[in-house]
Amino acid sequence: QVQLVESGGGVVQPGRALRLSCAVSGFTFSGYAMHWVRQAPGKGPEWVAFISYDGSSKSYADSVKGRFTISRDNSKNILYLQVNSLRGEDTAVYFCAKELSPHYFDFWGQGTLVAVSS
Amino acid sequence: EIVLTQSPATLSLSPGERATLSCRASQNIFNYLAWYQQKVGQAPRLLIYDASNRATGIPARFSGSGAGTDFTLTISSLEPEDSAVYYCQHRAVWPLTFGGGTKVEIK
Repeated sequence: QVQLVESGGGVVQPGRALRLSCAVSGFTFSGYAMHWVRQAPGKGPEWVAFISYDGSSKSYADSVKGRFTISRDNSKNILYLQVNSLRGEDTAVYFCAKELSPHYFDFWGQGTLVAVSS
Repeated sequence: EIVLTQSPATLSLSPGERATLSCRASQNIFNYLAWYQQKVGQAPRLLIYDASNRATGIPARFSGSGAGTDFTLTISSLEPEDSAVYYCQHRAVWPLTFGGGTKVEIK
């Protein structure tokens, strides 16, 4: 069965960085685009970033452009999100999601919490 | 950025009743709309995509309709397990955005 497992979250000071990972199994990872979606406490989901099946195409929300970088390792079946220059408003549960083409999300991980606090 | 406005904010109904949830887009998004269900402590679950197509494994009591700027998710006969927050999401242009959600409460 399809599984997506995020890791790498934690409590971090403003301005610091983290690398989030999403290990996937149960489907041919290299054949699908992937996304990161976040959800702040008590709020609705917010799309963060997209990467095509081969990594050649990427797109970001304006709120994270220039600070976050999405990448993937198709040999290891892992999706990444490098999050730099963290701000309080980045506090959220970060989900990785498999794309149902084009640009819907048919499978989600359980999420990893990033809390930005001094 | 396309803004999706969902209404009502909360819907409180009894089991067996019909639920009608609305999602309005700030501009034409054709039929490029999905609906998700999110229960407390869980990730969202895809229910409907391209406005009216049920995702794999979704019960037939969930249906979607609409095009352009006005969309509806209908739950024909509510079950206790349908208690959740429901979100719409468009894929028409970057950035992808979600609506603010409708909370469905079962009396």
